[in-house]
Amino acid sequence: SAVISQKPSRDICQRGTSLTIQCQVDSQVTMMFWYRQQPGQSLTLIATANQGSEATYESGFVIDKFPISRPNLTFSTLTVSNMSPEDSSIYLCSVNLVATYNEQFFGPGTRLTVL
Amino acid sequence: AQSVAQPEDQVNVAEGNPLTVKCTYSVSGNPYLFWYVQYPNRGLQFLLKYITGDNLVKGSYGFEAEFNKSQTSFHLKKPSALVSDSALYFCAVRDMNYGGSQGNLIFGKGTKLSVKP
Repeated sequence: SAVISQKPSRDICQRGTSLTIQCQVDSQVTMMFWYRQQPGQSLTLIATANQGSEATYESGFVIDKFPISRPNLTFSTLTVSNMSPEDSSIYLCSVNLVATYNEQFFGPGTRLTVL
Repeated sequence: AQSVAQPEDQVNVAEGNPLTVKCTYSVSGNPYLFWYVQYPNRGLQFLLKYITGDNLVKGSYGFEAEFNKSQTSFHLKKPSALVSDSALYFCAVRDMNYGGSQGNLIFGKGTKLSVKP
């Protein structure tokens, strides 16, 4: 497996502000994803983070709201912009590793509360 | 479209009894199927996967899952439940139409397993 770290682990933010979440992996990664888990619900894919190019967003998610960077193979950031209480969720980074190919591993998540 | 269904919101089992958490799927091609567990205030942990081969897949913590192609099911099982197995369990299928074998996972809504002493 791999060690996937996310910062911050949790935060409480005011409406209208933005938060950037970092994801760092200690192994070689093929693909990186960002998921959202709203309270009491399942995981929904936000986007696939592509190294050196724009992320690929799923239906219902846009770059202006969730800008994503992936400057190298093992690091990515997700920004939640102009936050509202509806953005209160757990945000999870997920990766496929070169070593384990088709297994997908998840970071510990960032618990965001927007007031 | 690919999809996963977990028909039970919650499963209650007595400690020591066998447990089953149900999952059915819908895919256009061959499925890659996964089970994950989420303990309170923790991230998702990988339990097991089915890609090809033996229909009975063994995973972490004594869990196993049986792939049934005719019933399009991938139920999670354990012969003897522990109180510490109490958690949220997610079934997931890989979207082979997006990214192939490296594509993102599509998750079921989750099933809360409660094991009582």
